[in-house]
Amino acid sequence: DTGVSQDPRHKITKRGQNVTFRCDPISEHNRLYWYRQTLGQGPEFLTYFQNEAQLEKSRLLSDRFSAERPKGSFSTLEIQRTEQGDSAMYLCADLPLNEQFFGPGTRLTVL
Amino acid sequence: AQKITQTQPGMFVQEKEAVTLDCTYDTSDQSYGLFWYKQPSSGEMIFLIYQGSYDEQNATEGRYSLNFQKARKSANLVISASQLGDSAMYFCAMREGLGGSQGNLIFGKGTKLSVKP
Repeated sequence: DTGVSQDPRHKITKRGQNVTFRCDPISEHNRLYWYRQTLGQGPEFLTYFQNEAQLEKSRLLSDRFSAERPKGSFSTLEIQRTEQGDSAMYLCADLPLNEQFFGPGTRLTVL
Repeated sequence: AQKITQTQPGMFVQEKEAVTLDCTYDTSDQSYGLFWYKQPSSGEMIFLIYQGSYDEQNATEGRYSLNFQKARKSANLVISASQLGDSAMYFCAMREGLGGSQGNLIFGKGTKLSVKP
């Protein structure tokens, strides 16, 4: 257990619905990262926060994806109007020193 | 652009034997960090080992060691005395950005290791 938690662990939704995932990092670290991992691939970076500031969002896959980190604590990743291609594992991670600890991920299935 | 290449989609090893998983990287930075992660079928990413580009010695963590050859731009993971529980996907990664300042990781495609009893 890395101390990074994600909720829910699994989400099944119908195409066109909105979904939101939550990540609670190890509280004393101030950077938080979101990744997406599709089947057979390594994780792909989406966005990151330093405290509450979102410092990189050009890698979010489309304008249907958005992320927030109110008050610099937990973060949420929202996907609007889901598509079947959004089915993937969504991982968050935080960055103490020379490690990057990942949460257990949220597995999204879009029917 | 930075890139991680893992050329072995799958590897088999006999239990108790050692195995080397290959990783080559491409970067123009002088300062960078290399990581290996294990991902079992349950999906969590488990940090194994880290090597900084200025570290003079190869990193070791228990049964894991990183064979760092800077001139060849390779960072191979060596697992000694393989165990059945080592069966998993293994990913090599490096920090992205100048000096890794942005902090996010870029990953290779992974190697699936299967340990045979």
